[in-house]
Amino acid sequence: DGGITQSPKYLFRKEGQNVTLSCEQNLNHDAMYWYRQDPGQGLRLIYYSQIVNDFQKGDIAEGYSVSREKKESFPLTVTSAQKNPTAFYLCASSRPTGGIDIQYFGAGTRLSVL
Amino acid sequence: GIQVEQSPPDLILQEGANSTLRCNFSDSVNNLQWFHQNPWGQLINLFYIPSGTKQNGRLSATTVATERYSLLYISSSQTTDSGVYFCAAKYNFNKFYFGSGTKLNVKP
Repeated sequence: DGGITQSPKYLFRKEGQNVTLSCEQNLNHDAMYWYRQDPGQGLRLIYYSQIVNDFQKGDIAEGYSVSREKKESFPLTVTSAQKNPTAFYLCASSRPTGGIDIQYFGAGTRLSVL
Repeated sequence: GIQVEQSPPDLILQEGANSTLRCNFSDSVNNLQWFHQNPWGQLINLFYIPSGTKQNGRLSATTVATERYSLLYISSSQTTDSGVYFCAAKYNFNKFYFGSGTKLNVKP
C-alpha cells in the first residue's frame, strides 16, 4: 500500500538529547514537509523540501534540522537547542504535477520531554 | 505569506444537523485543500478544491477564488464527523498555509 510512514508513534526525549523522527513515503512524491502541532492549535511549518538534496526553512526552524538524501526519506532531528519540543509532529508529502499539488499526511509522532 | 482564517473556531451540533465551515484567504491561491483531523491526530484529505464545487457523500465544498473564500458543508452530521477541520492554501511553488481550524463536536 502506498503511503507515508512516520516512526516512532511516541518518543521521549531527555534533557540535552537530540532525537530523530523518521518519515518515509512510497508515493514517489517530490516534495516533503514537517509540521509541528501544539495542543489545540493549528499546524506550523518547520522545514520543507521540494527535491532531493535541497530543503528550506519554514516558520519555526530554530532548534530543528533535516536532511533529504533520498527521495523517499525526510528525517527530522529535534536538537537540544529546541527548548520546548513537546508537541505532535506531522510529516507530509506532495507531488506537484500539471498545476495540481495535493498534500498527504502521515499518522504523526508525539514527542514528550522526560 | 498568505493569511488563512477559519470560522467558527468551535462548533457544537446535534446529530443530524447541517453546518457550514468557512475559510478566508488573503491572497490569490491556486491550491486549496480541506482536511479532517480525527481524534487520533491523523489528517485525512477531504477535498482538493482550488475553485468550483465538489461533493463527496454528505460533504461538499465550494471555493470562490476571486472572492478569496472556501466553504465546507456537512449535511446530516454524525458523531464520527467530530474532530478538527483545517483548510490549507498555496500559490504556485510556495509552501502551504494552514488556518487554525474549526473544532466540531457532534453530539448524539
